[in-house]
Amino acid sequence: DQQVKQNSPSLSVQEGRISILNCDYTNSMFDYFLWYKKYPAEGPTFLISISSIKDKNEDGRFTVFLNKSAKHLSLHIVPSQPGDSAVYFCAASRLGSQGNLIFGKGTKLSVKP
Amino acid sequence: SQTIHQWPATLVQPVGSPLSLECTVEGTSNPNLYWYRQAAGRGLQLLFYSVGIGQISSEVPQNLSASRPQDRQFILSSKKLLLSDSGFYLCAWSRGTSNQPQHFGDGTRLSIL
Repeated sequence: DQQVKQNSPSLSVQEGRISILNCDYTNSMFDYFLWYKKYPAEGPTFLISISSIKDKNEDGRFTVFLNKSAKHLSLHIVPSQPGDSAVYFCAASRLGSQGNLIFGKGTKLSVKP
Repeated sequence: SQTIHQWPATLVQPVGSPLSLECTVEGTSNPNLYWYRQAAGRGLQLLFYSVGIGQISSEVPQNLSASRPQDRQFILSSKKLLLSDSGFYLCAWSRGTSNQPQHFGDGTRLSIL
């Protein structure tokens, strides 16, 4: 049973426009959510996180939104740049799990010049 | 600043041979340590985590084992590799408090022949 789902395997966006990456989860005990960016043959790089007490967190061009009632979070990248092209993973953890992360399968973002 | 080192970057091993992958962290003490595997076309699956020296928890039954002989050293091992052990192995660390992001190494691409 997949507890964290990224239903779009790929997304293509024009440079300068907004990229919206979506993630759904099923476990209501999750209380911390993260987004990672991954280039081929490299480890994931932490981008941004949000705890369940918030509904929005912003860091430069990256904003994460959390809708707890819908068990949905999204990552907005504005403006998108070609260097943002990578696979983006959503992850979640629950209180008391020693920080163990449950990852989605990823969405490949392509930003076209 | 903290850094995480994983080696080797790539490894080709025959079926039935042993395995030892090493991961070390610098610039922090008493981190939580993690081993993940990413199989082709899939998300990251947590294999083992450790909250201290000699403390190992396994998330999935498998042909692999992990050890933490020192505070900042985490080793992934196998006595006899199977074809299904092929994949991209990632080590990660996080601070030992709640709601902390994990930071990943660059991974080891393991191919079993």
